[in-house]
Amino acid sequence: GAGVSQSPSNKVTEKGKDVELRCDPISGHTALYWYRQSLGQGLEFLIYFQGNSAPDKSGLPSDRFSAERTGGSVSTLTIQRTQQEDSAVYLCASRRSPEGSNEQYFGPGTRLTVT
Amino acid sequence: QKEVEQDPGPLSVPEGAIVSLNCTYSNSAFQYFMWYRQYSRKGPELLMYTYSSGNKEDGRFTAQVDKSSKYISLFIRDSQPSDSATYLCAMSFTGTASKLTFGTGTRLQVTL
Repeated sequence: GAGVSQSPSNKVTEKGKDVELRCDPISGHTALYWYRQSLGQGLEFLIYFQGNSAPDKSGLPSDRFSAERTGGSVSTLTIQRTQQEDSAVYLCASRRSPEGSNEQYFGPGTRLTVT
Repeated sequence: QKEVEQDPGPLSVPEGAIVSLNCTYSNSAFQYFMWYRQYSRKGPELLMYTYSSGNKEDGRFTAQVDKSSKYISLFIRDSQPSDSATYLCAMSFTGTASKLTFGTGTRLQVTL
């Protein structure tokens, strides 16, 4: 079946603009995660969704970052008033359920460049 | 100090060699251990998954977890040029959120 998909694959934006990044998890996977991968920081957790709820937002770096999930499927990560330090690859992962095995499957990522 | 330490490499080996990749960690509460492979400009691909201590083998890949030493390893036998990638270790607690904590990744180059 289809894996995790993300769009756009690349996004270049000017400092101060808002951006939206989209994630489509594997069908039937109820748990969804956003991570960020940057040269200096490696791969870091941002937020976790179970269904449409986000019980763990502890990794969001500032209040400029927000995310939502609708219909227990698609998720959108929004970054407002982008800054150059937001440049990174944003990765989405899904997991079959919040119980048992913690196998997380990643999408290809969105490469964000803030100029 | 990072929770998970991983030598960034690069590690260069000839085709056919046995490769050993390692991570150490500081939090003894980690229970799930994974290895991901990431090709340039691609997302991480789950290679091996282990719960708690022990060994797991899948084809040319063997994952080992030693919780007493807080040390995990990935062995690749008969390495191929197609194995050239960055290998990331990751681990998590049990529980419903279970976010992954990653090492920085080791870049592997298998040469002909």
